[in-house]
Amino acid sequence: QVHLVESGGGVVQPGRSLRLSCAASGFTFSNYAMHWVRQAPGKGLEWVAFISYDGGNKSYADSVKGRFTISRDNSKNTLYLQMNSLRAEDTAVYYCAKDRSYDYGGNSPDYWGQGTLVTVSS
Amino acid sequence: DVVMTQSPLSLPVTLGQPASISCRSSQSLVYSDGNTYLNWFQQRPGQSPRRLIYEVSNRDSGVPDRFSGSGSGTDFTLKISRVEADDVGVYYCMQGTHSITFGQGTRLEIK
Repeated sequence: QVHLVESGGGVVQPGRSLRLSCAASGFTFSNYAMHWVRQAPGKGLEWVAFISYDGGNKSYADSVKGRFTISRDNSKNTLYLQMNSLRAEDTAVYYCAKDRSYDYGGNSPDYWGQGTLVTVSS
Repeated sequence: DVVMTQSPLSLPVTLGQPASISCRSSQSLVYSDGNTYLNWFQQRPGQSPRRLIYEVSNRDSGVPDRFSGSGSGTDFTLKISRVEADDVGVYYCMQGTHSITFGQGTRLEIK
């Protein structure tokens, strides 16, 4: 069955960087697009970033554009989120999610990981 | 950006009674391929979100048939025919037609 395991969260000072990873198993990772979605404490879900099956197509929420970079290594079945210039408002649980499709357009995250907590604080 | 508006934001329901959540989008969710990418997610306390419904009305595997989705264009509804204790949590609509946006969430609780 589909299994997604995020890692790399922790406490980081404002302005610093952090890289999240998401290890995928139970499906052919290289055939599917992937997402990062976050949830601030006590708040709702916010989509963060998307990457197509081959990494050729990427899209970002305005709130992270220019600071975050999504990438993937299909040889390692792993999704990444490089987060730079972190702000207090980036504090959240970050979930990786598999999409139903391989590329952008008509998207739907069908399987989610358990999430990893990122806390931005001095 | 497409704005998704859910109502109500809080939904107290008696066990065994029906429940209904509305979701409205700021523009039509019909995609160029003719499909409508409106999904519903359930997030139980302390858990990750779980997709319940995709493309307006299709239940995901393992989702009880007490859950149903309907709607078209910009107006959509999630219905639970008979609420059980296990249904407590927050429900989100999400559109995947114009990038991705979520509704604010509706918190379902047992009265």
